[in-house]
Amino acid sequence: GENVEQHPSTLSVQEGDSAVIKCTYSDSASNYFPWYKQELGKGPQLIIDIRSNVGEKKDQRIAVTLNKTAKHFSLHITETQPEDSAVYFCAARGVGNEKLTFGTGTRLTIIP
Amino acid sequence: NAGVTQTPKFRILKIGQSMTLQCAQDMNHNYMYWYRQDPGMGLKLIYYSVGAGITDKGEVPNGYNVSRSTTEDFPLRLELAAPSQTSVYFCASSGGAGSGELFFGEGSRLTVL
Repeated sequence: GENVEQHPSTLSVQEGDSAVIKCTYSDSASNYFPWYKQELGKGPQLIIDIRSNVGEKKDQRIAVTLNKTAKHFSLHITETQPEDSAVYFCAARGVGNEKLTFGTGTRLTIIP
Repeated sequence: NAGVTQTPKFRILKIGQSMTLQCAQDMNHNYMYWYRQDPGMGLKLIYYSVGAGITDKGEVPNGYNVSRSTTEDFPLRLELAAPSQTSVYFCASSGGAGSGELFFGEGSRLTVL
């Protein structure tokens, strides 16, 4: 089955700086890679996703990049703000697969 | 629009007791999932369902059972609770494999003592 590794497990950045979280996956057939944000006491919420037919996708201050050859993808948050503090999860899913495999999460703390 | 609703939010069980975590969604989604979240371990899939009457095991099904008699409801049953089942449980739903996004409930924190 799919295995997703995520690094780092914790990340602290100064407000206004950029944050990068990286994930690798094992199944070369995976073709869908979402990122979820989990705020304290809440369920995870989708913030951005990318499919294997594109290499990069942006949405305002967040972007995701995908390297299919190396089987890794990354989340980039620019101009970080206090409300970006949360736990972020990457995930991967294969063609025709109903199940997402999640990474272990990154706790991001934005230092004012 | 309530989305995905989980009850209870908190529960303390004694070893050997049984209970059911309730999950309901009002988005007419066919796909529903139960995950558990343990510190530093991410989200592990317990069971999932692709439609009423159909359920399948995920990564960590032992000690749990599910049923899917309606599109809206997907209860998770814990039989003979054990300390290893202390966790936060999340229910999620999706419109289908092609639609991508999972919608999560707010979680149920279970402690087994």
